[in-house]
Amino acid sequence: DVKVTQSSRYLVKRTGEKVFLECVQDMDHENMFWYRQDPGLGLRLIYFSYDVKMKEKGDIPEGYSVSREKKERFSLILESASTNQTSMYLCASSTAPVGNYGYTFGSGTRLTVV
Amino acid sequence: TQLLEQSPQFLSIQEGENLTVYCNSSSVFSSLQWYRQEPGEGPVLLVTVVTGGEVKKLKRLTFQFGDARKDSSLHITAAQPGDTGLYLCAGTFGNEKLTFGTGTRLTIIP
Repeated sequence: DVKVTQSSRYLVKRTGEKVFLECVQDMDHENMFWYRQDPGLGLRLIYFSYDVKMKEKGDIPEGYSVSREKKERFSLILESASTNQTSMYLCASSTAPVGNYGYTFGSGTRLTVV
Repeated sequence: TQLLEQSPQFLSIQEGENLTVYCNSSSVFSSLQWYRQEPGEGPVLLVTVVTGGEVKKLKRLTFQFGDARKDSSLHITAAQPGDTGLYLCAGTFGNEKLTFGTGTRLTIIP
């Protein structure tokens, strides 16, 4: 069964901490994405990557960075966590064309910043 | 940024009833997808539609893509408690990124 695995289901971090969210896919997909999901706001794209060591900003990149050193792994980094980053974080991967195959999502990481 | 509006935002109906939810955009989609998300899980792809006017059926779910490729609908016949979830539409606009709607949260009451 193909999978996107997010390292943690729940995380609680303190304001100012550096936070790493890990995502691994086993489908050899080229594309990987990080979204956050908030009630009433839907899924908003933070960063995405079309290839190893490549990254592009999405719609809300402020306060975040990413790393893609290997094709299967895409990490989201909160440089200095703040309470407004409390959210559900979803990782997804896809192969081209996404219009045919869609995204495969992980189960999400619910992050609480206190 | 393209916007996708979904309606209604919330829907609660009795088991056995029929329902339709909508997805609208001011822009033309290259393709349109529907996902269902259950509590504590990521969204799961249900269907992709590409051609204007296209209709696809998945058991009791019927998906329609508007002729102008700017809107879509999801119709569920004889809803069951297992249909409960958040339904998301997502569109592509000529690249490899999906833009998601805000979703319709559906509750089926036994």
